[in-house]
Amino acid sequence: DAGITQSPRHKVTETGTPVTLRCHQTENHRYMYWYRQDPGHGLRLIHYSYGVKDTDKGEVSDGYSVSRSKTEDFLLTLESATSSQTSVYFCAISEDSPGQGGEQFFGPGTRLTVL
Amino acid sequence: GDSVTQMEGPVTLSEEAFLTINCTYTATGYPSLFWYVQYPGEGLQLLLKATKADDKGSNKGFEATYRKETTSFHLEKGSVQVSDSAVYFCALSARSNDYKLSFGAGTTVTVRA
Repeated sequence: DAGITQSPRHKVTETGTPVTLRCHQTENHRYMYWYRQDPGHGLRLIHYSYGVKDTDKGEVSDGYSVSRSKTEDFLLTLESATSSQTSVYFCAISEDSPGQGGEQFFGPGTRLTVL
Repeated sequence: GDSVTQMEGPVTLSEEAFLTINCTYTATGYPSLFWYVQYPGEGLQLLLKATKADDKGSNKGFEATYRKETTSFHLEKGSVQVSDSAVYFCALSARSNDYKLSFGAGTTVTVRA
């Protein structure tokens, strides 16, 4: 199994509070991704990174920011959490880009509830 | 934009039945195509992939063939087991946007003993 962990695994927070989710990998893979999973929507990309300090927006990036200061860590921050951000968040890593057939390895997920 | 459409579930089958999950895509150029599977309480994992037309991906008894003429990548298994109960996602990565995967909505499959 790819060495990828997410923390925390579960979190309950209140509307308006900041929240940071952490993804940590031990594989030294170049690419890292944050997705959210909601019923009926599959997985939607929030942000991704193609190297240290190199990040870009995905399809649902509003209300989220990311940082990657080290190869192994990719942080997702909700600046001011809203109830619409209640979801399961998955981190993924890959050595090669998916356009070149690269496999993405997924973490176990973080279940976030915003009250 | 680039997208995949997969059949809606849920799908319920008996053990040893034949499974097909349809997936069609819209993309410019020649995308890479993937099937991922999510078992209960876990993250997704790659089931199989194909990177060019007419390629067949296979794994764990599952198969899918990249059909450019019908823009399809249907997943099939000849004889399912209870352990195949999971959510299956079709995904695409277009050459023009290499970094990203676009996922379908997922199909929930339940296999009864």
